[in-house]
Amino acid sequence: ETGVTQTPRHLVMGMTNKKSLKCEQHLGHNAMYWYKQSAKKPLELMFVYNFKEQTENNSVPSRFSPECPNSSHLFLHLHTLQPEDSALYLCASSQERVGGTDTQYFGPGTRLTVL
Amino acid sequence: DAKTTQPTSMDCAEGRAANLPCNHSTISGNEYVYWYRQIHSQGPQYIIHGLKNNETNEMASLIITEDRKSSTLILPHATLRDTAVYYCIVRVAGSGNTPLVFGKGTRLSVIA
Repeated sequence: ETGVTQTPRHLVMGMTNKKSLKCEQHLGHNAMYWYKQSAKKPLELMFVYNFKEQTENNSVPSRFSPECPNSSHLFLHLHTLQPEDSALYLCASSQERVGGTDTQYFGPGTRLTVL
Repeated sequence: DAKTTQPTSMDCAEGRAANLPCNHSTISGNEYVYWYRQIHSQGPQYIIHGLKNNETNEMASLIITEDRKSSTLILPHATLRDTAVYYCIVRVAGSGNTPLVFGKGTRLSVIA
């Protein structure tokens, strides 16, 4: 499926590096999400954007900085990360439907390793 | 915390039906039951969802009990590619793009 794409698929970075993860959705949705999945843990929500406005920040450290320039693109800027931030970072999108369901569709994820 | 309870793991022979149970005894009247699966190190894949009635699509069938306290996802003819972790999630309908809360899911192993 190519509805939600993420780049890069794999990223290795040092603790002093600055990098960005990119997500793009081709589904015409109005909401986008960042989730984190650490080894052997359930997916955890990080951020939610509705109509380009951040509506939820799930107590994420400031070394993670999201950006949503338009409803189709979502970025996650990374700086001074820690080794424990190594995880699979997943992007999702959905379309809000009044009185209906808003199914979320996920991208393939970016596997991040922090050395 | 996830509002659902699922077995940790299950095995299924290739070609047979895989029946994955889920308990959601505290489900509210306006909450849907969603199923996703995650193949190793990939993004979760949407499978199916329902409110009260049984649902079927090209991937699976969803059977919801009359009291809505439990449901079963059925993969009618399991293949090796169906090996994955399956997540059952309850979520309010039309809830303004609220996030999904994932539990630990059921690890389904399809065996040749």
